[in-house]
Amino acid sequence: QKEVEQDPGPLSVPEGAIVSLNCTYSNSAFQYFMWYRQYSRKGPELLMYTYSSGNKEDGRFTAQVDKSSKYISLFIRDSQPSDSATYLCAMSAEYSSASKIIFGSGTRLSIRP
Amino acid sequence: DTGVSQDPRHKITKRGQNVTFRCDPISEHNRLYWYRQTLGQGPEFLTYFQNEAQLEKSRLLSDRFSAERPKGSFSTLEIQRTEQGDSAMYLCASSVTTDTQYFGPGTRLTVL
Repeated sequence: QKEVEQDPGPLSVPEGAIVSLNCTYSNSAFQYFMWYRQYSRKGPELLMYTYSSGNKEDGRFTAQVDKSSKYISLFIRDSQPSDSATYLCAMSAEYSSASKIIFGSGTRLSIRP
Repeated sequence: DTGVSQDPRHKITKRGQNVTFRCDPISEHNRLYWYRQTLGQGPEFLTYFQNEAQLEKSRLLSDRFSAERPKGSFSTLEIQRTEQGDSAMYLCASSVTTDTQYFGPGTRLTVL
C-alpha cells in the first residue's frame, strides 16, 4: 500500500462546477499538506499549503485536512477550462525535510467549456 | 523570466551514454532540489542542496547519478551509463523554505 493514495482520474466536469479532489494517506505523522497543479509538459506549481487539520481558502480554492480520517481535499469553485491540469497532493511529517515529502500520483482534471 | 530554468528541455540518448542536465534556480533561493517524475506518478525526491552543500540524497540516487552545485548557484545532475529505466522527467525546484518550492519545467529524458 502506498503512503499516499490519489485517484488518477480522469475527472471531467462542466465549466462552473465545483470540483472536489481528494487524497488519503496512511502515515498519521503527516502534518504538512500541499496541493500542486501541473499543466502538461510543465513543472508542478504550488497552490495551497496547510499545516495540521482545518480549512484554508485562497480565491476559488479551498484546502481541507481531516487528520482523524487521514483524508485531504481540494475544492475548486466556479471551475474554468484553465483549471484543466493534473493536481498532485503532497505531504510531510517533518518541516524542512525535502526527502520526507511524499507526492500522490496526481488526478487529471478536465473542465469542459 | 525569473523562474527556475532547466536545460535541455528534452534529451534523447542511447543506453550506456552519459547525460548532464543543468538547473538555474531563482536567484535569491539558497535551496535547490532534484526530483524524478515518471508518467502517471508524482515527483520522487532525488537530492537537496542548501547553498553548495548536498544535505540529503535519496536511495533512488544510485552511484550512476551525481549532482553538484559548485558555487551555490546553478546545479548539474549527471547520469552515467544510462539505462532505459532512467527515462523520466527530471525536475529541479528551488526555494527559500522547503515547504514552498518553485519547480522548473523539467528535462524529459528518453533512453533508447
